[in-house]
Amino acid sequence: SQQGEEDPQALSIQEGENATMNCSYKTSINNLQWYRQNSGRGLVHLILIRSNEREKHSGRLRVTLDTSKKSSSLLITASRAADTASYFCATAGYSGAGSYQLTFGKGTKLSVIP
Amino acid sequence: EAQVTQNPRYLITVTGKKLTVTCSQNMNHEYMSWYRQDPGLGLRQIYYSMNVEVTDKGDVPEGYKVSRKEKRNFPLILESPSPNQTSLYFCASTLWGASPSEQYFGPGTRLTVT
Repeated sequence: SQQGEEDPQALSIQEGENATMNCSYKTSINNLQWYRQNSGRGLVHLILIRSNEREKHSGRLRVTLDTSKKSSSLLITASRAADTASYFCATAGYSGAGSYQLTFGKGTKLSVIP
Repeated sequence: EAQVTQNPRYLITVTGKKLTVTCSQNMNHEYMSWYRQDPGLGLRQIYYSMNVEVTDKGDVPEGYKVSRKEKRNFPLILESPSPNQTSLYFCASTLWGASPSEQYFGPGTRLTVT
């Protein structure tokens, strides 16, 4: 399994601060995706970065990818209480016979204190 | 509205009683998958399907079956449920291009096996 591992497991910050979460993985990937999950609900896709990209932005989100270090980071700028959620990275890698598998990490639980 | 639906949303059953959790998507996606989510373990893929009549095992397939007879439906079958299958289950779907793109998740099915 080429499961991504997020770091830290939990993060607590004040509203307005930036939040940074990291993801490391073990094997080569085609792309890496970040998802958000509000408590007990389905995951929502945030951003996808391909293996040949180094940085991507979407609103207050900034994602970087370093394939040499097999790591990615998600930065949320000017955080809001509504950003409180769990964040997961998912790696899309080739699993053989023309098939790809998307593998999720265990997540970072972000708490933004008003 | 583009969506993935799952039924039932909550289910309490007893050991050994066969059950099926249905999953349906209205986006004409080729790729569908099932995940289970357990505290401290993140999301783990059970089975996935790249198209009709094409299914493959994920990381934790034991005790589960799936079928893909139609593009829109991907039911998860537990032939003889056991307490260790108590979990939160998510179905997801995605377009299948050169690699997995963003996944759309269903709302989840919370299963308790006593």
